[in-house]
This record gives sequence, C-alpha cells and structure tokens, in this order.
Amino acid sequence: AAGVIQSPRHLIKEKRETATLKCYPIPRHDTVYWYQQGPGQDPQFLISFYEKMQSDKGSIPDRFSAQQFSDYHSELNMSSLELGDSALYFCASTVAAIGSTYNEQFFGPGTRLTVL
Amino acid sequence: DAKTTQPPSMDCAEGRAANLPCNHSTISGNEYVYWYRQIHSQGPQYIIHGLKNNETNEMASLIITEDRKSSTLILPHATLRDTAVYYCIVRNYGQNFVFGPGTRLSVLP
Repeated sequence: AAGVIQSPRHLIKEKRETATLKCYPIPRHDTVYWYQQGPGQDPQFLISFYEKMQSDKGSIPDRFSAQQFSDYHSELNMSSLELGDSALYFCASTVAAIGSTYNEQFFGPGTRLTVL
Repeated sequence: DAKTTQPPSMDCAEGRAANLPCNHSTISGNEYVYWYRQIHSQGPQYIIHGLKNNETNEMASLIITEDRKSSTLILPHATLRDTAVYYCIVRNYGQNFVFGPGTRLSVLP
C-alpha cells in the first residue's frame, strides 16, 4: 500500500540558510500534520493543514512556514536556520472524513535535518 | 502536555506476551486512546485505538478499563522486532497527537 513520502530524507545546511521539506500524503488523504523530533526527544506537533487551509498550530517557530497545495502535498519552509533546528521532521497524513472513527495518522519516514 | 502516564521502560522475553500499561485518569468522554510505536528514529507506526470497548487487530489487543481511566496494550507474542518506544495517546477527533515520554520496550532473546 502507498505510504507517506517525504523528501529529502537527509539534508545538511549551514546556520542562517533556508530549507524546504516536502511531504506527499497517502492518496486521497486531505489532512497533513508536521512534527519535529529533536535528539532524544519525543515528536512535537508543529502545524497541520486540512483541504489546503491551516487547521491547527503547535510550537512552530516564526521562522518556519508551511502550506498545503492543491494536490494535497505540503511543504515546510525553514529560514534563518539555527543549530537547534537539527532534528527529524515527520509528516503524517489522514482523512478527515465526517463521522469516521478511523482518524489515525499515518507517518512518513521523516527528513533528518542537520544544521552545521 | 501529554494526558497519559506510562512506565519509562519494560523488558519482555521473546515469545511471551508484552503488556504495556497506560494511565489516562483525566480522559474525557469523546477522547480515544491511541497506541503508536517508534522503532529507532523511524516514523511512528499506528498500532491500535479504541474508545471504550476492547479492540484487537493483527498487531495487538487493547484493553480499556470500564471507567476508561487506564488501558493496556498487549502484544501477544513479542519478537525482537517489537523493540521500540510505545506511545499511549489520548486524543479527541481531529486533534493532533501529543506524544509523551512513552515506554521503551526491550524484547530480550
């Protein structure tokens, strides 16, 4: 079965550079979530989108922005990168079907960002 | 903050059942209990979820107490590949997942 695709899988950047992470949800999934997992930490929610509109916002820095496109893929844009941004970034997708109880999120393999 | 409490670590012998407890004493009526696991830096993997009835699928069973204040995830025959961090998450419909510390399960040969 098709899974969530994230690219790139690994990314190395210098401080103050910018980075763009991409997420391709499972076909027919309309909702995308972004999570950040620092070294030795648990995943932390950043932001989510439903039908191309931001639906919820977590602990996402102002230097980060994200959007969901008409084909439902999403991009996380990160500017003025800091050493502390080094982390695994996971994207998850789901279907926000009205009345459905099966609203579990399916996670992608993640993008490992290293800021030097 | 996470709404659940789990033991930080557990060991289980290979081939035996692994029983992972979770306390969620402040759960509200509309909130589901979800279990995910993360195997060494891979994306979290969905295991099972439930509202108030016990649930079973090909991976595990979920036992929820009648008052819904706690639950147990059961892996019936643990293998070495089940070594992972297991997260118990309480969540309302449509909300994002709040991951707590989880339980680090080590399956021993």
